Amino acid sequence: GAGVSQSPRYKVAKRGQDVALRCDPISGHVSLFWYQQALGQGPEFLTYFQNEAQLDKSGLPSDRFFAERPEGSVSTLKIQRTQQEDSAVYLCASSFHRDRVADTQYFGPGTRLTVL
Amino acid sequence: AQSVAQPEDQVNVAEGNPLTVKCTYSVSGNPYLFWYVQYPNRGLQFLLKYITGDNLVKGSYGFEAEFNKSQTSFHLKKPSALVSDSALYFCAVRGGMNTGFQKLVFGTGTRLLVSP
Repeated sequence: GAGVSQSPRYKVAKRGQDVALRCDPISGHVSLFWYQQALGQGPEFLTYFQNEAQLDKSGLPSDRFFAERPEGSVSTLKIQRTQQEDSAVYLCASSFHRDRVADTQYFGPGTRLTVL
Repeated sequence: AQSVAQPEDQVNVAEGNPLTVKCTYSVSGNPYLFWYVQYPNRGLQFLLKYITGDNLVKGSYGFEAEFNKSQTSFHLKKPSALVSDSALYFCAVRGGMNTGFQKLVFGTGTRLLVSP
């Protein structure tokens, strides 16, 4: 079946521009996660949704970062006034169950953001 | 706070030889541990997980991992390496019950290079 998809795969932005990154989770998956992976590093948690509710946004690095999942399916991560330090790969993951520690997160291919 | 350490930046092994990629963890409460693999310009692919039960976990593509509670380790192993196993491997631990348990906390990754 279809996996997690993300678009665009690559995004180049000039410093100060706003960007929007899209994630389509696996159909029926309740939980959705965003992670940021800097070059040469492991992914770091940004935020978590259960259906349309954003239950944890503790990893968002600043108020320039905003995420939404209005209908409990597709999610958008928006970054306002991009800075060079925002350059990274942004990974989306989804999982079927909620509140289950045994649940496996399935990742999309990521969006590579480069801020010039 | 939960953390994962992958002490080796790179592991080199000849094709056909056994491989081990090391991971140690620190967590409050029960550990829920995961291994993922990342190929260039791809997202993370799930390999296996330890939730409870048997200390030897079998996963995809012939990989297995051994959970050792006394050593707080979860090393990834494969009896016979393939050149196609060359990739970046990440160990991850589930967040604890009090600190956003849904998120994954990743190590910095280990690059595996299998030579022909």
